[in-house]
Amino acid sequence: EDQVTQSPEALRLQEGESSSLNCSYTVSGLRGLFWYRQDPGKGPEFLFTLYSAGEEKEKERLKATLTKKESFLHITAPKPEDSATYLCAVASGGYQKVTFGTGTKLQVIP
Amino acid sequence: KAGVTQTPRYLIKTRGQQVTLSCSPISGHRSVSWYQQTPGQGLQFLFEYFSETQRNKGNFPGRFSGRQFSNSRSEMNVSTLELGDSALYLCASSPTGPNTGELFFGEGSRLTVL
Repeated sequence: EDQVTQSPEALRLQEGESSSLNCSYTVSGLRGLFWYRQDPGKGPEFLFTLYSAGEEKEKERLKATLTKKESFLHITAPKPEDSATYLCAVASGGYQKVTFGTGTKLQVIP
Repeated sequence: KAGVTQTPRYLIKTRGQQVTLSCSPISGHRSVSWYQQTPGQGLQFLFEYFSETQRNKGNFPGRFSGRQFSNSRSEMNVSTLELGDSALYLCASSPTGPNTGELFFGEGSRLTVL
C-alpha cells in the first residue's frame, strides 16, 4: 500500500527565512508525485507534478525536487501570504487514486 | 471556467441519520474523486468514478457509497451516521483520472454529526 509521510508537521518561519518541507514516500511504481497548497476552509490547490527522480519544478518562491524516496518543497524568502498547509501526494501503478500525506502547516510571520 | 461545486457547504446531522452530498465537476471532466479530511488522518480516499463507473474504492465501510451521473455530476451518501463521520468531504475532478495529473478540488462539504 502506498505511504506518504510529511515532515515537519508544523513550521514557523520569519518572513524572508528560507526552509524546506520533506515528503517521504513508498509506492509500487510511481506515476507521479504532487504538491498541493490548502488554505483554511478551502480545498487543496494544485502546485506541481513531478514524474521522475532528478526532476525539479519552480513557481515563484517555491521549488519542488524529487528523488527515488522523497521530495522536497523549498521555500525561498517566504512571505506571510505563503502561510498555508502544504500537502504531498502520490499516484502509483494503474490505480485511479492519489494518496495524500497529512501535510505541513506553514506559518510565516511578518 | 467554473470550478468544482460542492453542495451543501455545511450540514449538521444526528447519529443514525443519512446524508447525501453533491459534486458538480469542471465542464469536460469525466473523473470525480471523493476524499474525507479529518485533522488526525488527513485526506483519505473514498472512491473514484469515471463515466458513471466506479474504478477504485478506499478502505471505508459499506455505509459510504457514491454514484456518478451521465453528466459527470456525482453524489456520495453516508448512511447510519456515526460521530466519527464528522469531517470535511472533498470532491475533486480531472479530465481522465487522478493519477494522470492535477486534481481540481471543490471547497468541500463540512459535515458535523451530533
